[in-house]
Amino acid sequence: AQKVTQAQTEISVVEKEDVTLDCVYETRDTTYYLFWYKQPPSGELVFLIRRNSFDEQNEISGRYSWNFQKSTSSFNFTITASQVVDSAVYFCALSDTRQLTFGSGTQLTVLP
Amino acid sequence: GAGVSQSPSNKVTEKGKDVELRCDPISGHTALYWYRQSLGQGLEFLIYFQGNSAPDKSGLPSDRFSAERTGGSVSTLTIQRTQQEDSAVYLCASSLPGTASNYGYTFGSGTRLTVV
Repeated sequence: AQKVTQAQTEISVVEKEDVTLDCVYETRDTTYYLFWYKQPPSGELVFLIRRNSFDEQNEISGRYSWNFQKSTSSFNFTITASQVVDSAVYFCALSDTRQLTFGSGTQLTVLP
Repeated sequence: GAGVSQSPSNKVTEKGKDVELRCDPISGHTALYWYRQSLGQGLEFLIYFQGNSAPDKSGLPSDRFSAERTGGSVSTLTIQRTQQEDSAVYLCASSLPGTASNYGYTFGSGTRLTVV
């Protein structure tokens, strides 16, 4: 069975601070995919990134970066120089190509 | 269309009534998923369709819930004899099949169901 844990329920930071959202996963599969999604107050889920289990290379996209470590089963997400528009619920998810299992989400609030 | 379309966007129904929720996936996406998100909660998997294969119904919470997908495109999620605990946002997602699907699932904006 798959499981995704996002231990941080809520995080609040002041604008321009860096913030890291934690994600720990469990799976018996050797091939799997990890995702991050953003859900702003409007409600739609926005795809941010996908990582496959054979690619541990960290990725940076603008102010976003992701740190994938198989040794600790973690796939953490860092936002540098946070902005008010980053306020949203962020979900980490794990896929075995059939079912996408979500974590419970982290509510990020960026204060001006 | 350009994205996943869900209708209605909001639905208020009386306890005990049946409801139908519709999902129009992205053209060419053979995989379709239904999820449920209760207030302040994560996403709960309900059902998965892939092409002509038998659907994975393992997430349906009770036999009051059913879903079908006609012609490999539009899907309808039906909830019979609705209960207050069915109140949630029902999200539909579609993707390309197989490993290609892992480029990301595109979600619709959801149907907010309120059972009163």
